Amino acid sequence: KQEVTQIPAALSVPEGENLVLNCSFTDSAIYNLQWFRQDPGKGLTSLLLIQSSQREQTSGRLNASLDKSSGRSTLYIAASQPGDSATYLCAVRRTQGGSEKLVFGKGTKLTVNP
Amino acid sequence: NAGVTQTPKFQVLKTGQSMTLQCAQDMNHNSMYWYRQDPGMGLRLIYYSASEGTTDKGEVPNGYNVSRLNKREFSLRLESAAPSQTSVYFCASRKRQVESTDTQYFGPGTRLTVL
Repeated sequence: KQEVTQIPAALSVPEGENLVLNCSFTDSAIYNLQWFRQDPGKGLTSLLLIQSSQREQTSGRLNASLDKSSGRSTLYIAASQPGDSATYLCAVRRTQGGSEKLVFGKGTKLTVNP
Repeated sequence: NAGVTQTPKFQVLKTGQSMTLQCAQDMNHNSMYWYRQDPGMGLRLIYYSASEGTTDKGEVPNGYNVSRLNKREFSLRLESAAPSQTSVYFCASRKRQVESTDTQYFGPGTRLTVL
């Protein structure tokens, strides 16, 4: 059974700092991996999607990497801002049976202090 | 485009009561999903519909039923609510046209409390 773990569960940093969020998964047979952002009381917004054949994806100040063989992904946030404060969730799509089922980690709650 | 909309936003039920959570998307997406999010548990898939006319169980389907009413709407029904169903429920949709790159779009959620 695929399990997704995110470390740390919570992170507090001063504004301007570069930071890394970690995601690990137990079964390397994944189709893709996504990073989502969730603001309090809101739904999820997709940030980056990495295919299993890719090593990284970038969007603005965000860079996500994927090492499928070791079962790890990182989300790098450069020059963090208070507006980046949110919970960040990692999810992997399994290849089982061709149907899409996302398995989510429990998230990392990020606080960026002004 | 409103994206994915869910009603109601909040609901309080007594044990044994029934209710239906509504979800609609205006993006002409093929697939729709229902998740629940609980503290310390992350998001878990309840049911999904890969296309209009089909539904399948996810990880935690017990106590729930779904209906894919048409391409736009996907409802989740609790027939006899239990306190263990207290949670935040999210609906999501996905186009499923370019499978390798398209993502799920989430609604704002319904916060359900069962007393």
